[in-house]
Amino acid sequence: GESVGLHLPTLSVQEGDNSIINCAYSNSASDYFIWYKQESGKGPQFIIDIRSNMDKRQGQRVTVLLNKTVKHLSLQIAATQPGDSAVYFCAENLPIGSGGSNYKLTFGKGTLLTVNP
Amino acid sequence: GAGVSQTPSNKVTEKGKYVELRCDPISGHTALYWYRQSLGQGPEFLIYFQGTGAADDSGLPNDRFFAVRPEGSVSTLKIQRTERGDSAVYLCASSLRRNTEAFFGQGTRLTVV
Repeated sequence: GESVGLHLPTLSVQEGDNSIINCAYSNSASDYFIWYKQESGKGPQFIIDIRSNMDKRQGQRVTVLLNKTVKHLSLQIAATQPGDSAVYFCAENLPIGSGGSNYKLTFGKGTLLTVNP
Repeated sequence: GAGVSQTPSNKVTEKGKYVELRCDPISGHTALYWYRQSLGQGPEFLIYFQGTGAADDSGLPNDRFFAVRPEGSVSTLKIQRTERGDSAVYLCASSLRRNTEAFFGQGTRLTVV
C-alpha cells in the first residue's frame, strides 16, 4: 500500500547543533519527494525536494538524502536555529492511475523539532 | 497573488449547515490539491485537480464533500450537512505542473458546533 512514516515523532536539539529527521516510505513507485516545515497555525512550507534519480540534494543549510534501496529519506539541518522549531513532514508523490501521468502527494504524521537556546 | 490564498481563514458553522471553502492558487499553476489536517496529524489527501478536471477524488470521505474548479484556476470545496467530525484545517496547494513542488496556502480552520 501507500504510506509515509517517520521514525522519530519528536526531536530536541541544542541551538547550533545539526539535526537529522528521518522518514520511511513504502511505495517503490514514488519518484519524487518533498520535505515541508509547518509552524503552528500556518500551512506547510516547502523546504527542499528530491527526485528518485538522485541520492542527495543540498539547499541553504538543508540537505536531503534518499536511499531507494531501503526506501528511506532524511532531512539534515545544519547549525539548527530556534526559528527551525516546527513540525517537519516528508511527502511522497505517488503516480496514480494508468499511465502514471497523474500524482498524489501523500504525507506522513510529521516530526516535531524543538531547538533549545 | 504571490502565493496560494484561502478564504475564509476561519469558519464556524452549525451542524447540518452547508459550507464553501475557497482556494486561489498561484497564477499559472495547473495542479491543485485539497487536504484536511486534524490536530497532530499530517495533511490527509482529499482531491487533486489537473486543470479543470478532478484527476483523483479518492480522498473525499463521503458524498457530502464535493469540489469544483470550473475554469482551471480558483477551486471551491463544498461540504453539505456538516458534522462535528468535519472540524479540521482544510489546506489547499498548487503546483506548476504535475509532479513538481506543491505550495500550500495558510488553510481554512473549520469548526462545526
